[in-house]
Amino acid sequence: AQSVTQLDSHVSVSEGTPVLLRCNYSSSYSPSLFWYVQHPNKGLQLLLKYTSAATLVKGINGFEAEFKKSETSFHLTKPSAHMSDAAEYFCVVSDTSGAAGNKLTFGGGTRVLVKP
Amino acid sequence: NAGVTQTPKFRVLKTGQSMTLLCAQDMNHEYMYWYRQDPGMGLRLIHYSVGEGTTAKGEVPDGYNVSRLKKQNFLLGLESAAPSQTSVYFCASRQGTTHNYGYTFGSGTRLTVV
Repeated sequence: AQSVTQLDSHVSVSEGTPVLLRCNYSSSYSPSLFWYVQHPNKGLQLLLKYTSAATLVKGINGFEAEFKKSETSFHLTKPSAHMSDAAEYFCVVSDTSGAAGNKLTFGGGTRVLVKP
Repeated sequence: NAGVTQTPKFRVLKTGQSMTLLCAQDMNHEYMYWYRQDPGMGLRLIHYSVGEGTTAKGEVPDGYNVSRLKKQNFLLGLESAAPSQTSVYFCASRQGTTHNYGYTFGSGTRLTVV
């Protein structure tokens, strides 16, 4: 079984300040982990993914995430928020056992508000 | 590149009506998925398919049926719609079992059942 907990349902930051979105996971197997972003009334876009290579993963639009196995965490960060970062972000774990089609399990989402 | 296309984009149903949501992908992906998105719950898997002619239940399959008669299409059916099925539905596909292969999502279908 696998699960994902996003520790903050809402995060508010000022433009130009750092963004931290927290994610903890549990998985019976070595997980693959993803962060997706969803802008209002849009589909999901992949920001970055961890698949057992480097633990610090760089993604698009200046985002990065660090996989910490000891803490079962995969927090997403960005040094300087931009107005266009206002969106909902989902932390996602994928079962790598090969069973069940490697289906994804989503966290509940974190909605980011960027203030001018 | 069309990627994953969902039709329709919006729909309003009356309780008890039926409808089919269509997902089409042009990437020759083996795996296809149907998710529903509800506030505060992320996306939850309804049904999925690991290849043409195969389907399997996900986390929340009740009230839904699916079919994968052609590799490129994955249909989600609601036989008798209920207000609890008001949601945004997303289809996704991926190339294969290796976890390095990413998922491609459609833009969603917003369904309201009144």
